[in-house]
Amino acid sequence: KAGVTQTPRYLIKTRGQQVTLSCSPISGHRSVSWYQQTPGQGLQFLFEYFSETQRNKGNFPGRFSGRQFSNSRSEMNVSTLELGDSALYLCASSLVPGGNTEAFFGQGTRLTVV
Amino acid sequence: GIQVEQSPPDLILQEGANSTLRCNFSDSVNNLQWFHQNPWGQLINLFYIPSGTKQNGRLSATTVATERYSLLYISSSQTTDSGVYFCAVPAQGGSEKLVFGKGTKLTVNP
Repeated sequence: KAGVTQTPRYLIKTRGQQVTLSCSPISGHRSVSWYQQTPGQGLQFLFEYFSETQRNKGNFPGRFSGRQFSNSRSEMNVSTLELGDSALYLCASSLVPGGNTEAFFGQGTRLTVV
Repeated sequence: GIQVEQSPPDLILQEGANSTLRCNFSDSVNNLQWFHQNPWGQLINLFYIPSGTKQNGRLSATTVATERYSLLYISSSQTTDSGVYFCAVPAQGGSEKLVFGKGTKLTVNP
């Protein structure tokens, strides 16, 4: 059974550009959440999706957005990149939302903004 | 919102030693997960343990939900156990959001 797949694994972008990250959840999982990990702030929740609907969003500026497709795959987009957006972005999938099922994480996308 | 605290922040062991990592949380939870973050950044699931005790090889975990803490035990540590260990609990309100502690960085020396 395939795990959570995130692409690309590594990205280098220039300030002001935009970036799109992709996450394919475990087959049969319908809930996808995104997290940002930085040395200073730790693991912070970005947003969660279920049935193509954003259920919750963390405390991030509007430059951070996402969506979920009918096959449960999700993308997140960051526009007008800033140096502070350099981070490891992790995606998690779970069977259903609500915090009562186990979450599984992908390998992450490491974004560097120069 | 719910707060999660992990201790100790750093732990250095010699190979073969045992260790206990602690996770305290500020409110009642209906599940708790332990993860090991490998050097490449991936969070590896160790335990999904709302309450009680579970064991998996040299690792075991106990969650005492009524007292709002969980413990992760590592016995006969190996250098491959090095990394950062996180516990996480769901935010309240039925959200899928996980709230993470700051982690315990474990270094196992040969």
